[in-house]
Amino acid sequence: AQKVTQAQTEISVVEKEDVTLDCVYETRDTTYYLFWYKQPPSGELVFLIRRNSFDEQNEISGRYSWNFQKSTSSFNFTITASQVVDSAVYFCALSEGRRGADGLTFGKGTHLIIQP
Amino acid sequence: GAGVSQSPSNKVTEKGKDVELRCDPISGHTALYWYRQSLGQGLEFLIYFQGNSAPDKSGLPSDRFSAERTGGSVSTLTIQRTQQEDSAVYLCASSLALREQYFGPGTRLTVT
Repeated sequence: AQKVTQAQTEISVVEKEDVTLDCVYETRDTTYYLFWYKQPPSGELVFLIRRNSFDEQNEISGRYSWNFQKSTSSFNFTITASQVVDSAVYFCALSEGRRGADGLTFGKGTHLIIQP
Repeated sequence: GAGVSQSPSNKVTEKGKDVELRCDPISGHTALYWYRQSLGQGLEFLIYFQGNSAPDKSGLPSDRFSAERTGGSVSTLTIQRTQQEDSAVYLCASSLALREQYFGPGTRLTVT
C-alpha cells in the first residue's frame, strides 16, 4: 500500500529564511508520480510540481526547489528567501501506476508560517 | 481560463438526509476526481472518472456514497442518509489524461 509521510506538522520561520519541507513516501510500484500542492488560507489547493519516478533531476522554479532521492524515498521541497505570502499548508502526494492518473495519496500536510 | 467550479460552496443538512454535490471540471479535461478533507482524516481520495471507462470507486468509504459523471463533463457526488462523520470539505479535481490535477474550491458539508 502507498503512504506519504510529512513528519513536520508545523514550521515557523522569519521572512527571508530558507525552509525545507520533508516528504517521505512508500510504494511497491516502480512507476509512480510525486506531487506538491499548496493550500493557502483561502483553501484552494494549488498545484506546484509533478515528478515521475524515472526522473531524479532536481528542479528549481524561482525561489522553489525540489530534491527527489529514490534511495531514501524522499521528495523534499525548499523555499529560498521565504516571504509572508508563502504561508500555507503544503501537501506532498503520491500516485502509483504507469498512468500516473490515479487518485492521489496525500500526506497530512505541513503548516508553514512565515513571520514578517 | 475558468477553473474547476463546485456548488454549493456550503451545505448544512440534518443527519439522515441525502445531499448532492456538484462539480464542473475544466473544459476539455477528461479525468475527474473527488476527494474529501477533514481535520481527522486529512485529504482522502474518493472516486475517479476517466473518459468513458468504469470509475475507480476504491476510495468510497461506504455504500452511502455514490457519484456519476454525465456526458463526460459535470459530476455529482451523492451522499445518502448523511451522518455526522460525513462533515468535511469535499473537493473536486480535474486533469488532462496523465497530467496533474487541478482542484476546485470545495463544498463544505456540515451534518447536524
